[in-house]
Amino acid sequence: EPEVTQTPSHQVTQMGQEVILRCVPISNHLYFYWYRQILGQKVEFLVSFYNNEISEKSEIFDDQFSVERPDGSNFTLKIRSTKLEDSAMYFCASRRRSRSGANVLTFGAGSRLTVL
Amino acid sequence: GQQVMQIPQYQHVQEGEDFTTYCNSSTTLSNIQWYKQRPGGHPVFLIQLVKSGEVKKQKRLTFQFGEAKKNSSLHITATQTTDVGTYFCAGHRDNQGGKLIFGQGTELSVKP
Repeated sequence: EPEVTQTPSHQVTQMGQEVILRCVPISNHLYFYWYRQILGQKVEFLVSFYNNEISEKSEIFDDQFSVERPDGSNFTLKIRSTKLEDSAMYFCASRRRSRSGANVLTFGAGSRLTVL
Repeated sequence: GQQVMQIPQYQHVQEGEDFTTYCNSSTTLSNIQWYKQRPGGHPVFLIQLVKSGEVKKQKRLTFQFGEAKKNSSLHITATQTTDVGTYFCAGHRDNQGGKLIFGQGTELSVKP
């Protein structure tokens, strides 16, 4: 079964450092998402991406965050200057273009970010 | 903004007992989805409900979507230890690829 793959599985970084989390969505999917989950809490929407641009972003997704699809397969989330509160599991998800009503997201296994 | 509320936050049951989690949205949804997240894992899609009043079953799991398309429930009959995990409802306002908003989740533990 096709998978969304994410790297790294775990990243430890110092506060203030830049981090890039990478995702390879399912190949025929056209919509891409980043979500994050602070330990023990709910899954929070960060950003959605379609047709090479951000289609929607949450209030969490401020200027320190950016996304990119540099080469047609990878989908990256960059955090420019990490803060302690950025420590979380970051999930990438994708979905294919589909008929109305079939909006199922496939999630990757996640990248755990620990900011010290 | 749109909020999706889910209760209870935790549920501890004895194996064989039933379990229900409830989900309410502050706005009408175009569809609602349910995901299961095992401890240390990622959300895995279970089912999507689209029609008002829709009921779907997957073995021991029964999913309902309210008539007003603002609430939903997941009921598990005769829980097993393999049912352990956090169950999230998640809603879309539209069908245009917009964000999926998750509820807080209900963490189910099952005592053998």
